Amino acid sequence: DQQVKQNSPSLSVQEGRISILNCDYTNSMFDYFLWYKKYPAEGPTFLISISSIKDKNEDGRFTVFLNKSAKHLSLHIVPSQPGDSAVYFCAASYSGTYKYIFGTGTRLKVLA
Amino acid sequence: EAGVAQSPRYKIIEKRQSVAFWCNPISGHATLYWYQQILGQGPKLLIQFQNNGVVDDSQLPKDRFSAERLKGVDSTLKIQPAKLEDSAVYLCASSWVRDRAPEAFFGQGTRLTVV
Repeated sequence: DQQVKQNSPSLSVQEGRISILNCDYTNSMFDYFLWYKKYPAEGPTFLISISSIKDKNEDGRFTVFLNKSAKHLSLHIVPSQPGDSAVYFCAASYSGTYKYIFGTGTRLKVLA
Repeated sequence: EAGVAQSPRYKIIEKRQSVAFWCNPISGHATLYWYQQILGQGPKLLIQFQNNGVVDDSQLPKDRFSAERLKGVDSTLKIQPAKLEDSAVYLCASSWVRDRAPEAFFGQGTRLTVV
């Protein structure tokens, strides 16, 4: 039972354009969401998070949007840079457990 | 600030052998996690500690996997005996106490190959 889904395994974007990575979840109890970035042979690195009381959180070039009614969140990267090429995971947790459930990841390739 | 330290980085063993992984979390982080990441999948939580107590081990295959966190700091994860399907990257992560910034910080992982 995959509670957190990233339906696009890969995405290619031109440098300078916007990258949009999507994530869907099934459990309405989730109230905290995170995005992680992972380079090869490294552990995931925290990128940005959002609480369910918000619908948007911004940090520099990265913005996360949350649509609770659709159980959907997205990560926008503007402008995209070649160094953003990595695998991006969304994760969710609930009820203050901080038990993070991860999606399967989307491999982003930013073309120079 | 030092990050989460894990060792070894790589391990190759034969099936039915045993193996142990070590993790040293970020200083002061009360919560420690072990995740298993199989190729092409997202990390799957195996066990979550709060200090030296287990918060969640519902996904830990307890017939072959065990984990402990001595004195609420370092942790070891053991597999005995290993199966081919245990081939994966084992990630350790830590975070502050649960009512503070909750994002988890990950180590580089241990890549296990069972042959």
